[in-house]
Amino acid sequence: GENVEQHPSTLSVQEGDSAVIKCTYSDSASNYFPWYKQELGKRPQLIIDIRSNVGEKKDQRIAVTLNKTAKHFSLHITETQPEDSAVYFCAAINTGTASKLTFGTGTRLQVTL
Amino acid sequence: EAQVTQNPRYLITVTGKKLTVTCSQNMNHEYMSWYRQDPGLGLRQIYYSMNVEVTDKGDVPEGYKVSRKEKRNFPLILESPSPNQTSLYFCASSNLPGAPGGYTFGSGTRLTVV
Repeated sequence: GENVEQHPSTLSVQEGDSAVIKCTYSDSASNYFPWYKQELGKRPQLIIDIRSNVGEKKDQRIAVTLNKTAKHFSLHITETQPEDSAVYFCAAINTGTASKLTFGTGTRLQVTL
Repeated sequence: EAQVTQNPRYLITVTGKKLTVTCSQNMNHEYMSWYRQDPGLGLRQIYYSMNVEVTDKGDVPEGYKVSRKEKRNFPLILESPSPNQTSLYFCASSNLPGAPGGYTFGSGTRLTVV
């Protein structure tokens, strides 16, 4: 089955700086890669996703890049703000055959003033 | 409002006392799943259901049961809870596991077994 590794487990950045979270996956057939943000005490919520036919996708201050050859994908947050502080999860799935999203272990991002 | 509703939000129980966590979705999703979240381990799937009366084990099914008698409901049953089942539980639904828009998660149930 799929295995997703996520790094770093914790990340502290100053407000205004950029943050990058990286994930690698094991199943070369995986073709859908969502990112979830979980604020303290809240449910995970989808913030951006990418499919394997696309190398990069942006939505305002967040972007995701995908390198299929290396089997890794990354979340980039620019001009970080205190409200970006949360736990971020990456996930991967082969939509043709798999029965679940496989999640990474999460990154706790702290944006300091 | 499209949502996944879980109840209860918080539950403290004793070892061996059967409990049920309810999950209901109003989006007519075929796929529903239960995950548990533990520090350092991320989200691990317990059980999932592709449709009514179709359920299957995820990665960590031991000690849990589920049922899918109706499309909207997917309860999680702990027949004899043990302390190692203390965790944060999330129900999730989608049209398909990899459908655009991903999962919609419930608000979570924090379970403590003493």
